[in-house]
Amino acid sequence: KQEVTQIPAALSVPEGENLVLNCSFTDSAIYNLQWFRQDPGKGLTSLLLIQSSQREQTSGRLNASLDKSSGRSTLYIAASQPGDSATYLCAVGGGNTPLVFGKGTRLSVIA
Amino acid sequence: SAVISQKPSRDICQRGTSLTIQCQVDSQVTMMFWYRQQPGQSLTLIATANQGSEATYESGFVIDKFPISRPNLTFSTLTVSNMSPEDSSIYLCSSTGGNYGYTFGSGTRLTVV
Repeated sequence: KQEVTQIPAALSVPEGENLVLNCSFTDSAIYNLQWFRQDPGKGLTSLLLIQSSQREQTSGRLNASLDKSSGRSTLYIAASQPGDSATYLCAVGGGNTPLVFGKGTRLSVIA
Repeated sequence: SAVISQKPSRDICQRGTSLTIQCQVDSQVTMMFWYRQQPGQSLTLIATANQGSEATYESGFVIDKFPISRPNLTFSTLTVSNMSPEDSSIYLCSSTGGNYGYTFGSGTRLTVV
């Protein structure tokens, strides 16, 4: 059974810092990995999708990497801003199977 | 990628009543998924819904409590039946989006009093 772990559970940084969120998964037979952002009490916003054949994806200040063999992914956020404060969720799955989610990293960026 | 409209966005319900949540997708999708997110927790899969067949439920979730309909390839409903305060959660629907990944509805924030 696939299990997804996210470290750290919570992170507080001053504005402007670069930061890395970590995600690991137990079964490397995945179709893709997706990072989401969730604001309190809200739904999910997709940030980046990495398909199993890819190593990384970039969108603006966000960069996500995927190492299937080691079962790891990282989400790098450059020059963090207070508006980046949210919970970041990592999920694996694909191929018409449901996503399996980690518990998330709660990020606070302090102005 | 597909866009999902989910409603209601929030509701406060009396215990013992039922609430039906609707998700409308702007394109045809084979599979839809329903998740629950309890306060402070991550998402837990309730069931997978295919058009034309009964939903497949995960361990700990039963059809009598969470009946699901999937009448066509663009629509699904989840009913939370005989509610108790423990059912207070955010409920989300999702569909696969092919090369664009999975898409989620905006969520229904349910409070049972």
